[in-house]
Amino acid sequence: AQSVTQLGSHVSVSEGALVLLRCNYSSSVPPYLFWYVQYPNQGLQLLLKYTTGATLVKGINGFEAEFKKSETSFHLTKPSAHMSDAAEYFCAVAYTNAGKSTFGDGTTLTVKP
Amino acid sequence: DVKVTQSSRYLVKRTGEKVFLECVQDMDHENMFWYRQDPGLGLRLIYFSYDVKMKEKGDIPEGYSVSREKKERFSLILESASTNQTSMYLCASIGTSRSYNEQFFGPGTRLTVL
Repeated sequence: AQSVTQLGSHVSVSEGALVLLRCNYSSSVPPYLFWYVQYPNQGLQLLLKYTTGATLVKGINGFEAEFKKSETSFHLTKPSAHMSDAAEYFCAVAYTNAGKSTFGDGTTLTVKP
Repeated sequence: DVKVTQSSRYLVKRTGEKVFLECVQDMDHENMFWYRQDPGLGLRLIYFSYDVKMKEKGDIPEGYSVSREKKERFSLILESASTNQTSMYLCASIGTSRSYNEQFFGPGTRLTVL
């Protein structure tokens, strides 16, 4: 069964610092990869996704992620954190179009002033 | 603007009660999902549906059932609520008419079982 591992359940950065949230998946088959963000008391919304083509994917709010097949990773980055980035972030993987996704356990990002 | 709505944001029920959680989407999506979200455990799939009257078990279906009588509506049923079902419940939908669609989520229902 496929699995998704998010390293670090809590990440804290200072405002203006680099944000790096790690995600690894287990599969020999290239997946569809997603990052979602959840603000307090809200549902999840899509930040970005990788399907095919360019391995560096840009999303909303200045976030980007790079698919590295050799490392089975899809880490999320943002060059400069903003206070409004404080939220919980989920990495997810799917293997069929419009099918089920497997989610990681989530990483809570705290941004310090 | 696409929308997935859930019938309640907060719900408090007593042990043994039958609980209905409703989800409605207005995007004409074929596939709908119910998850529960618990701290440190991420999202776990309870049930999903690929079409009206079609359902499949997810990873944690025990204690739950679902109903999909209309394409836009997917209901989660707790036949006899227990305290270990206290959780955040999230509904999502996804269409098959475009490739590589992401899931669209509702705002969630926070259920407390006393």
